[in-house]
Amino acid sequence: DAGVTQSPTHLIKTRGQQVTLRCSPKSGHDTVSWYQQALGQGPQFIFQYYEEEERQRGNFPDRFSGHQFPNYSSELNVNALLLGDSALYLCASSLANGYEQYFGPGTRLTVT
Amino acid sequence: GENVEQHPSTLSVQEGDSAVIKCTYSDSASNYFPWYKQELGKRPQLIIDIRSNVGEKKDQRIAVTLNKTAKHFSLHITETQPEDSAVYFCAAPRGGTSYGKLTFGQGTILTVHP
Repeated sequence: DAGVTQSPTHLIKTRGQQVTLRCSPKSGHDTVSWYQQALGQGPQFIFQYYEEEERQRGNFPDRFSGHQFPNYSSELNVNALLLGDSALYLCASSLANGYEQYFGPGTRLTVT
Repeated sequence: GENVEQHPSTLSVQEGDSAVIKCTYSDSASNYFPWYKQELGKRPQLIIDIRSNVGEKKDQRIAVTLNKTAKHFSLHITETQPEDSAVYFCAAPRGGTSYGKLTFGQGTILTVHP
């Protein structure tokens, strides 16, 4: 049973650049949520995708955008990177009407 | 939206002792309360969860209790072992009953000394 996978593992970008992170959900899951986890903090909800649509969004600016593909995989895009965007980006998969969420290993983004 | 407060921020116990971590939530409509364990450099791992129609749930050495009236829930770990050392996060659904969109507490660093 394939778990949640994310790529890349680590990424270093410069301020002002753009980045794309990728996530494949757990087998059988159709919903992907993205979270940002700053060092020493709990994950913060960015947005959730279901049926290729953004279903709900947290308190993140429009620089953060996403996409979901027909195979349920998802991308997180961040434009005009700021130093404060440095964090661990986690995706979590679930069923559309299910409560349990399972996290991927995360992508560590460093903005210099 | 939901607000989740978690205490304590750090907890140090001797191997074999019990550990208790408490969380309070603000939205009385919340109906699902998971606990995650995150080891250093690893993903958050769902270890136990509880629905609002249940007051307590156990799984071997871990248990979760829920008090809906007081709007708090707790994680109990008995007979702690060094491998229980990690950061533990509680969570509750954003907007009460929203599926899969969680608000997390700030985390508790649990250290179990051999």
